[in-house]
Amino acid sequence: DAGVIQSPRHEVTEMGQEVTLRCKPISGHNSLFWYRQTMMRGLELLIYFNNNVPIDDSGMPEDRFSAKMPNASFSTLKIQPSEPRDSAVYFCASSLWGDPNYGYTFGSGTRLTVV
Amino acid sequence: GENVEQHPSTLSVQEGDSAVIKCTYSDSASNYFPWYKQELGKGPQLIIDIRSNVGEKKDQRIAVTLNKTAKHFSLHITETQPEDSAVYFCAASLRGNNRLAFGKGNQVVVIP
Repeated sequence: DAGVIQSPRHEVTEMGQEVTLRCKPISGHNSLFWYRQTMMRGLELLIYFNNNVPIDDSGMPEDRFSAKMPNASFSTLKIQPSEPRDSAVYFCASSLWGDPNYGYTFGSGTRLTVV
Repeated sequence: GENVEQHPSTLSVQEGDSAVIKCTYSDSASNYFPWYKQELGKGPQLIIDIRSNVGEKKDQRIAVTLNKTAKHFSLHITETQPEDSAVYFCAASLRGNNRLAFGKGNQVVVIP
């Protein structure tokens, strides 16, 4: 398996623009997590899905952030409009729900810079 | 909710020495404790984990110990090498679901 695949690896955008981050989880995993990592806050859980259904989005900073999982092999995190304070590394992770003993597998992340 | 704390925040060791990172957790229902290593420019990678029915687990130069009574667990790296330099995250499972609560991370620097 190629692991969790995220795209793009780097994104530079202007303030006010829409940004879409993409994630392909590991085949067979049925839980998907979006994290944001900054020096100040560390790893923050934004939202997670079980069986493509959003379970907890309490970590989403504000209405500018939205996430979807239309099928088991694809998820998106959208920021509209983007702001400089959204600059961070965004990670997607997947796992097998019901068996946390296998932990999460993280993707390589998307480094977002909003100027 | 679960609160996971890591100490120290930064650790510098001479190559060949041992490094120990400690984590504490608050939820007595936590039963799974993974450790992740994050190298520069990469995502966190699972390196070792332990379940609540086990007190210690070892994999080559790394080992994890768990004290459920005291609610703390530790990562031990022996014979450290420069490639061990990274940020290490501990985590604990949350009651009733498959989520993990992560610590803030420890920066380990191995000095050649």
